[in-house]
Amino acid sequence: DGGITQSPKYLFRKEGQNVTLSCEQNLNHDAMYWYRQDPGQGLRLIYYSQIVNDFQKGDIAEGYSVSREKKESFPLTVTSAQKNPTAFYLCASSRRLLPGEKLFFGSGTQLSVL
Amino acid sequence: RKEVEQDPGPFNVPEGATVAFNCTYSNSASQSFFWYRQDCRKEPKLLMSVYSSGNEDGRFTAQLNRASQYISLLIRDSKLSDSATYLCVVNIGAGNMLTFGGGTRLMVKP
Repeated sequence: DGGITQSPKYLFRKEGQNVTLSCEQNLNHDAMYWYRQDPGQGLRLIYYSQIVNDFQKGDIAEGYSVSREKKESFPLTVTSAQKNPTAFYLCASSRRLLPGEKLFFGSGTQLSVL
Repeated sequence: RKEVEQDPGPFNVPEGATVAFNCTYSNSASQSFFWYRQDCRKEPKLLMSVYSSGNEDGRFTAQLNRASQYISLLIRDSKLSDSATYLCVVNIGAGNMLTFGGGTRLMVKP
């Protein structure tokens, strides 16, 4: 079955530590996205990529970094510069970066600070 | 003012009731509109797109009012399984940059 896979489901970060969230898709989609969701809030865009080796900052990119070395993979690193990282992180993909393209979401990663 | 605003609820309704949610958006250049459903700690799933002429999918009806800049979702004959958070989503400008509302929580009671 085609889909988008995030791992791990739960992740704990210590003070000063960088952690990386994995996102893999086998849908042959060009565009991929990372969102952050805080309790009772909507999703906010962290980074997006419309093609391999290209990515752009979203609304809340500070303290995060990404790479897009392969079409299938778009890992997100939460750096120590992100002072409030506890949130639910969702990865998504779409065929193209065009208005109206359907988003396919992964099942999310809950990141908590120890 | 938030770009996409929703009443957070919760809306508590009995089974079989009809319930309606509204969502307002601030950017008149918004092009595409959607309703997503999200269960607790799960990924959002597309419920339906919203078209200018209004559209219906079974018990769900979505409408768009461009003049007043709001979209609505009507759920008829509510089921227990409809309990979830409903996210209003708007595409503003070029690309597939979606702006999500904070969601409206619905709880359907027996």
